[in-house]
Amino acid sequence: QQPVQSPQAVILREGEDAVINCSSSKALYSVHWYRQKHGEAPVFLMILLKGGEQKGHDKISASFNEKKQQSSLYLTASQLSYSGTYFCGTEANFGNEKLTFGTGTRLTIIP
Amino acid sequence: NAGVTQTPKFQVLKTGQSMTLQCAQDMNHEYMSWYRQDPGMGLRLIHYSVGAGITDQGEVPNGYNVSRSTTEDFPLRLLSAAPSQTSVYFCASIFRSEAFFGQGTRLTVV
Repeated sequence: QQPVQSPQAVILREGEDAVINCSSSKALYSVHWYRQKHGEAPVFLMILLKGGEQKGHDKISASFNEKKQQSSLYLTASQLSYSGTYFCGTEANFGNEKLTFGTGTRLTIIP
Repeated sequence: NAGVTQTPKFQVLKTGQSMTLQCAQDMNHEYMSWYRQDPGMGLRLIHYSVGAGITDQGEVPNGYNVSRSTTEDFPLRLLSAAPSQTSVYFCASIFRSEAFFGQGTRLTVV
């Protein structure tokens, strides 16, 4: 089953913050986040392993709550370059490498 | 370093025709996958392979076949194309849980 992402779409002004959520009905080993620009392939942003860690990458960070099987991606002070569709990908088992992706969240940043 | 290469980039098929989407990677990754991407559906796993000679079904395998004779190549075959297979197809190789995607094949079945 695909993880569920919310919201499906969001429009922000440059400089505003956004949170994208990913929720799974299965126990998870890891959560991954990818960004896809229009007409391009998805690109890896970060991976979070179970243990509730939080990671950061520039002004994009994420958290993983393994008990709730949820992850959130935080984009702060958004830039025009953040526009795109964000996908979470989940792994149920260590070393499985079988990634199941969510339905995506389209983020539009306007000047 | 080419990464993951998919061919063709675009293809139009008639209903009932067969074709093979090619995928090759030069990173020596064991794990490879095929996904299809449809509006509102995200990326759905069609088939995957954990190494040469080993393949398994994903979420939406019907109408597709795969084989993995070498580590580098993982072709996806459509046996008898249907309009429901109109989609964008992505091949990915995965290493240490990071997926490296090809540029995609946009397939239209008329």
